[in-house]
Amino acid sequence: KAGVTQTPRYLIKTRGQQVTLSCSPISGHRSVSWYQQTPGQGLQFLFEYFSETQRNKGNFPGRFSGRQFSNSRSEMNVSTLELGDSALYLCASSLGQDRNTQYFGPGTRLTVL
Amino acid sequence: SQQGEEDPQALSIQEGENATMNCSYKTSINNLQWYRQNSGRGLVHLILIRSNEREKHSGRLRVTLDTSKKSSSLLITASRAADTASYFCASSNDYKLSFGAGTTVTVRA
Repeated sequence: KAGVTQTPRYLIKTRGQQVTLSCSPISGHRSVSWYQQTPGQGLQFLFEYFSETQRNKGNFPGRFSGRQFSNSRSEMNVSTLELGDSALYLCASSLGQDRNTQYFGPGTRLTVL
Repeated sequence: SQQGEEDPQALSIQEGENATMNCSYKTSINNLQWYRQNSGRGLVHLILIRSNEREKHSGRLRVTLDTSKKSSSLLITASRAADTASYFCASSNDYKLSFGAGTTVTVRA
């Protein structure tokens, strides 16, 4: 099976712009989670979707949003970008039960100038 | 902020030696998972241990879990240069992973 794919892999934006990142899960996986990784805060949970419904959300401002489509693909959007949003954004997919392994994609490296 | 702590923050060992890293977490868990990350790339899943398990092996990896102490350890035996990476533990609960700060392991040839 193909792994988790994320597009784009690299992105450069300026402050105030918005960005949309995409994640395609492993075939058959219905859960997609998003994480932000920065040198200062480490790996932090953003949100998780299952069957197009958000089941859990981390402590991020409302500028961070996501959605999941009927084919389980997911997008996350960040509006009004700030310098501190520069990070590696990782998505992970799983079968959807709390006990399942999460498999990560290669990430999208976002740089905000 | 992260949910757990990892110890040590960095580890440098000779090829062939064993590497041990520890992880603590704060809340109840469904399972605990260990991941490896090379140079800011994606996370590679190494092993999952369920909350009702105490020890698990996979190849050169051995993981222990002590739910009474809310701690876990990862042992990599007979290390290789290719094991050079950052290692993260992640406690799983409520459909999310809470990561530790990670241990950076350098294996010297």
